[in-house]
This record gives sequence, structure tokens and C-alpha cells, in this order.
Amino acid sequence: DVKVTQSSRYLVKRTGEKVFLECVQDMDHENMFWYRQDPGLGLRLIYFSYDVKMKEKGDIPEGYSVSREKKERFSLILESASTNQTSMYLCASSSSGGRLGQETQYFGPGTRLLVL
Amino acid sequence: QKEVEQNSGPLSVPEGAIASLNCTYSDRVSQSFFWYRQYSGKSPELIMSIYSNGDKEDGRFTAQLNKASQYVSLLIRDSQPSDSATYLCAVNARGSGNTGKLIFGQGTTLQVKP
Repeated sequence: DVKVTQSSRYLVKRTGEKVFLECVQDMDHENMFWYRQDPGLGLRLIYFSYDVKMKEKGDIPEGYSVSREKKERFSLILESASTNQTSMYLCASSSSGGRLGQETQYFGPGTRLLVL
Repeated sequence: QKEVEQNSGPLSVPEGAIASLNCTYSDRVSQSFFWYRQYSGKSPELIMSIYSNGDKEDGRFTAQLNKASQYVSLLIRDSQPSDSATYLCAVNARGSGNTGKLIFGQGTTLQVKP
């Protein structure tokens, strides 16, 4: 079974703090993704990575950065947390290779972040 | 036009009925289609994937794909209250190559009433 874990289920931070969200997958997947999910807005892609040290911006990268130093780990960084970054953050991973079905994304349990 | 569109619902069906969830997509070259289920406060979990025109059945779930009409649907037979959730449709993104990027719809909320 694919397992994607996230460092925290719930997190409370203050405005201006630097926040690190960690995601680890155990299936040797090449691709990893960070989304945020807000009521009425669906899943929005923040950043993704298709290889170690490689990253690409998603639809809403502003205010975020990412790090992928090891294949199994993908970190999302909020450089200076703001109240509008209060959200549910979801990490996902998938295999590459180009064959149909390999794009299946497997999600972690999510981190609910509250910025005060 | 959104790339992947779903009716947000809620779709309400009685227990035991067939629930029909629909999704349209804009990119004709899309090849891979996914249905995820998401319970309130939880993360999405994959229910079905489909790649060829026609029907694909898995237990009480049937995915239907019509590439000519750019339409994918999910049927849930003998709906149970435990099926009450938000169902997300996802399609592989144009030019995604090996990055595996998917485009998600906003989801349809299904309520199954006992």
C-alpha cells in the first residue's frame, strides 16, 4: 500500500512565523505535490516536484516555497505566515513513467493550518 | 471555461438508489480520468480510474467515459449513507508529461438519505 504521511494533522501559528510542512512517501514515487483546499475553491495546486531538487510552480505559488532534497520528502515552506494562508494543506505523490495509470495521485491525511 | 467541471450539488438520493455523478473536461487530448472520494475533514482517496471509452465496473461503482463528448461519469448503485461524501473528478493535465499533474474539478457533494 502506498503511504503518504504529513508531519502534523493540526498546526496553529502566528502571523509572520516561518512554517514548515513536511510530507514523506514510501513508494519511491518521482512526483510529489502540495495543494491547499478551501471551501468552495476546491483543490488548488501550490507547487509540485518531478524529481529531487526539481520544482515547478502550480496555480497559487505566491507566499510559498518548497524543498525536495530527498526523493521521499517534499517540504512546503510558508516564509511569513499570513491569516489568508489558513487552510487545509494536502500532499500527494505519484509515479512517473508515462504509462496510463501512473498519474494516480495518493494523498496524505492533510494538515489543517490555522494562522492567527 | 473551467478545465474540469462538476456540479457542486448537493446531490441527494435515497438509500438504495443509483447516484449519478457527472464531469466534463475541456482538453480533448486528456487520456486519464480519475474519481476520488473525500469524506468531510479527510483527504481524497481514489475510487476508480478509467482510460478507454465505455464502462468500467468495480463493485457498486461504474465509471463511464465518452471522449467524443468529453464526459466522464460515476454511477453508484445501491447507494448507502456511508457513500455520503464529496466526489472529485480529475483529468491528466495537457503537457503533463511524466510530472503526473492532474486537474481536479471542484467536486460534487453526495448525500444519501436513509
